[in-house]
Amino acid sequence: EAQVTQNPRYLITVTGKKLTVTCSQNMNHEYMSWYRQDPGLGLRQIYYSMNVEVTDKGDVPEGYKVSRKEKRNFPLILESPSPNQTSLYFCASSLGPPAEQYFGPGTRLTVT
Amino acid sequence: ELKVEQNPLFLSMQEGKNYTIYCNYSTTSDRLYWYRQDPGKSLESLFVLLSNGAVKQEGRLMASLDTKARLSTLHITAAVHDLSATYFCAVAPYETSGSRLTFGEGTQLTVNP
Repeated sequence: EAQVTQNPRYLITVTGKKLTVTCSQNMNHEYMSWYRQDPGLGLRQIYYSMNVEVTDKGDVPEGYKVSRKEKRNFPLILESPSPNQTSLYFCASSLGPPAEQYFGPGTRLTVT
Repeated sequence: ELKVEQNPLFLSMQEGKNYTIYCNYSTTSDRLYWYRQDPGKSLESLFVLLSNGAVKQEGRLMASLDTKARLSTLHITAAVHDLSATYFCAVAPYETSGSRLTFGEGTQLTVNP
């Protein structure tokens, strides 16, 4: 089944404790992207990747890192999480712009 | 800074009625997307609109794009309860070749029996 998977789905952590949210797709998509969703703000793009080893900032990259060492994986790294990064995170992939993006199930992160 | 505005943000309508959701954006673009999100779920792609005058229809939903007016509409015909969800439009500025997406706030639609 074609899908985008994210792990973990739920995470509660403390300020400053490094964490990684994994994202994997099995559709051989070149483009992948991370978003955060907050009430009243819609979705905001954090980082995106056009292909392996090619990443670029979205609208809200501060406090996040990404890497794209393999085509199928695009992990999101929070080196020192803070409470304002509490949010619902979505990973998405597509064949490449302008194709539609396929979204993962989401990761709900709480930073205390 | 690109702004994408949807209205209304909340819409409560009766089954069988018609209504339109509007998506205005502030920059040159010929790439606009509509997504649906059910409560507690992920986003599902509805339409991809890639040129001025583009019109796409699926079931009771029809989307259109007017790039000159920087406006897209999502028209709902004879609404049914199953259409209750939050609908997002997203715009890719022309100069980013579609790699950067800016989403609207979303329109929360409730269809009442």
